[in-house]
Amino acid sequence: EPEVTQTPSHQVTQMGQEVILRCVPISNHLYFYWYRQILGQKVEFLVSFYNNEISEKSEIFDDQFSVERPDGSNFTLKIRSTKLEDSAMYFCASSPKADTQYFGPGTRLTVL
Amino acid sequence: GNSVTQMEGPVTLSEEAFLTINCTYTATGYPSLFWYVQYPGEGLQLLLKATKADDKGSNKGFEATYRKETTSFHLEKGSVQVSDSAVYFCAPIWMTSYDKVIFGPGTSLSVIP
Repeated sequence: EPEVTQTPSHQVTQMGQEVILRCVPISNHLYFYWYRQILGQKVEFLVSFYNNEISEKSEIFDDQFSVERPDGSNFTLKIRSTKLEDSAMYFCASSPKADTQYFGPGTRLTVL
Repeated sequence: GNSVTQMEGPVTLSEEAFLTINCTYTATGYPSLFWYVQYPGEGLQLLLKATKADDKGSNKGFEATYRKETTSFHLEKGSVQVSDSAVYFCAPIWMTSYDKVIFGPGTSLSVIP
């Protein structure tokens, strides 16, 4: 069964550094998403992406964040200058038609 | 705005006990309703879904029925197992022009032998 995959599984970085989190959505899906979960807290929406542009973003998704679909398979989340409070689990999700979303295993980001 | 309320945990049950985790949502339109499960150290897995009133979603012995009149989508299982220990998230999606999942706070379930 097709799955969403994410790399790396764990990323450790220094505050102020840039990180890129990578996701490979399910191949025939058209809608893509990023969510994050700070340890022990609820899962929060960051951004949705369709037709090569952002369709919605949350207040968390400020100018430090960007998303890109550089080719036909990858979907990336870039954090330009990481802060301590960016430490969280980041989940990518994809959907065939803005309905059921399938989540990847997540990338745990630790900012030191 | 749209929101979801979920039974607070943690919930601890003995094996073979009956499980109910309550979930209600704000009645703005008619969302599709989902339950996701997160096993320890893992990502979010879709457990079941229902897309319209009176639909029943089911999977792995879990069930939930879309109740429009009470705006609820309670998760039930007749006999829990130790392997069901996880965090369960109620998650509506409102099919407007924005389709983000709004997650409930999660309910942690521990099943003891």
